[in-house]
Amino acid sequence: DIQMTQSPSTLSASVGDRVTITCRASQSLSIWLAWYQQKPGKAPKLLISKASTLESGVPSRFSGSGSGTEFTLTISGLQPDDFATYYCQQYNSFATFGQGTKLEIK
Amino acid sequence: QLQLQESGPGLVKPSETLSLTCTVSGYSISSSNYDWGWVRQPPGKGLEWIGSVSNSGSTYYNPTLKSRVSITVDTSKNQFSLKLSSVTAADTAVYYCARQEGVGKLDYWGLGTLVTVSS
Repeated sequence: DIQMTQSPSTLSASVGDRVTITCRASQSLSIWLAWYQQKPGKAPKLLISKASTLESGVPSRFSGSGSGTEFTLTISGLQPDDFATYYCQQYNSFATFGQGTKLEIK
Repeated sequence: QLQLQESGPGLVKPSETLSLTCTVSGYSISSSNYDWGWVRQPPGKGLEWIGSVSNSGSTYYNPTLKSRVSITVDTSKNQFSLKLSSVTAADTAVYYCARQEGVGKLDYWGLGTLVTVSS
């Protein structure tokens, strides 16, 4: 089974900041990685697929990079609506999620 | 506009079988090349992929749940269903259904339904 490790688990930041969340895989995924945003009581929302492809309607301040075993999600110019929990998901072999990163207001 | 809606009992007794159905509207399951999946989230915890089914009935299951899971599709009703047997308190979670690109990204999600396992 492929294990996914996100860091940090919690991140405190301010509106306007640039933040980066990292996701590491226990084996190579090529580019088969997605990122999701989840707000309390809501279903996850797909932001990025194939490591760096922005989904339709997702603001351009979100970006993804990486390949193999290390991936990053960057949010440039945090907006109030961005404070949420973020998950990575590998789909190179079945599907596995990271444990999540909670982005909090500083 | 594609929408998914989970339905089923909110309370299941230990050792019994959890059964949920996802009804898809605004999109035909039978005409698509997408799979249809289930994901769960225990209260206060992270996401766990359960498995998925294609419109032809091919299935993929999380290896850790495979022995207890069955996912089926009914294209005539535009629905797909989840059965999880021998449940325990550890299976208490919000269960989401979603459209899945193969065993890949999940791009449309239902609102989720909380299932509690308790006697």
